[in-house]
Amino acid sequence: SYELTQPPSVSVSPGQTASITCSGDKLGDKYACWYQQKPGQSPVLVIYQDSKRPSGIPERFSGSNSGNTATLTISGTQAMDEADYYCQAWDSSAYVFGTGTKVTVL
Amino acid sequence: EVQLVESGGGLVQPGGSLRLSCAASGFTFSSYSMNWVRQAPGKGLEWVSYISSSSSTIYYADSVKGRFTISRDNAKNSLYLQMNSLRAEDTAVYYCARDSYYGSGRYFDYWGQGTLVTVSS
Repeated sequence: SYELTQPPSVSVSPGQTASITCSGDKLGDKYACWYQQKPGQSPVLVIYQDSKRPSGIPERFSGSNSGNTATLTISGTQAMDEADYYCQAWDSSAYVFGTGTKVTVL
Repeated sequence: EVQLVESGGGLVQPGGSLRLSCAASGFTFSSYSMNWVRQAPGKGLEWVSYISSSSSTIYYADSVKGRFTISRDNAKNSLYLQMNSLRAEDTAVYYCARDSYYGSGRYFDYWGQGTLVTVSS
């Protein structure tokens, strides 16, 4: 079955840029999306179709996908961005989530 | 405003059954495919099942195939998950999620608040 791998944690200082990677075999040939989940809350879609932002998502969230890696970038990271982030792709009639990354804003 | 409200969670013994429901509002339910996604305590997200708008296409994760059944009632704007032969590893918060897609990519654009299922003796 298809697998997506993320780093367990990423630390970033306020105002700096955080990059979260998501690795999978030929992931660039698929569409990737990203979800943000804060403690005790439901996930929220922040990026879909590799790089598109849903309405209401701040411009500081951006995405890219090429080769075997999709990347979520948070520019000018704010304290409110501290959360778990999951990538996701569709493969062989199944939704596959990444292992998840905890972003800590120090 | 899109709203998805799950219900039906609770404590059940191993081998038991439970039926989850998801009430949808704020959009034309019959036009959208729907999903169930779960999250074990302290763990990541796991997709469980998909059902197309007309119920003609259904998919399951291997971990629940043969034990769980997804269904919907478009007249009642409701999604269901019948869970049988429950195991301790099925303990999780179960989310109802609306399906969306672009080209060959699919994703969940709206999520409910979740309902907790605990399988324990």
